[in-house]
Amino acid sequence: QKEVEQNSGPLSVPEGAIASLNCTYSDRGSQSFFWYRQYSGKSPELIMFIYSNGDKEDGRFTAQLNKASQYVSLLIRDSQPSDSATYLCAVGFGNSGYSTLTFGKGTMLLVSP
Amino acid sequence: NAGVTQTPKFQVLKTGQSMTLQCAQDMNHNSMYWYRQDPGMGLRLIYYSASEGTTDKGEVPNGYNVSRLNKREFSLRLESAAPSQTSVYFCASRAQLQYFGPGTRLTVL
Repeated sequence: QKEVEQNSGPLSVPEGAIASLNCTYSDRGSQSFFWYRQYSGKSPELIMFIYSNGDKEDGRFTAQLNKASQYVSLLIRDSQPSDSATYLCAVGFGNSGYSTLTFGKGTMLLVSP
Repeated sequence: NAGVTQTPKFQVLKTGQSMTLQCAQDMNHNSMYWYRQDPGMGLRLIYYSASEGTTDKGEVPNGYNVSRLNKREFSLRLESAAPSQTSVYFCASRAQLQYFGPGTRLTVL
């Protein structure tokens, strides 16, 4: 059974700090990796995706993937109170719609002013 | 370009009543999904449709039925609602990237 594990948190960081969110997955054949942000009472919003080992940067966000260790992380630089949300890690096998995404239960991030 | 839309936003049912949740996407995606989200349980896949004309069970299909009406629309039906089906329901669609609708908050009394 495919599993995606995340620390539930909350992860508390002060404004301006780097927040580091981590995720491990069980299926070694996984090929696509996603981070979603979910504000309380709202739907998940895609913020990052990564397919290859290494780092991918987009603004204040960096996704890191290590397939050998089955580990994916999200770094948020210069954290803002508006970044306070639950972050969901999702893992997929291939890009076909026939392969569904497996979601972790999410890590709650709290950024204090 | 509205993305993924869902109706209704909120619904209260009595035990045993039936209802259909509607979902539509305008991104020309082949694949569509229905999830439920409960506190502490994360997102759980109910049913999905990899392409028009096909549907498959997900992790928690019992008590639900789905219809892929056309490429744009994918509906979820509760034939006889139970309190255990109180949840937030999300529809999603996907090509390479998956996008979610705004959700339906359902309460079954």
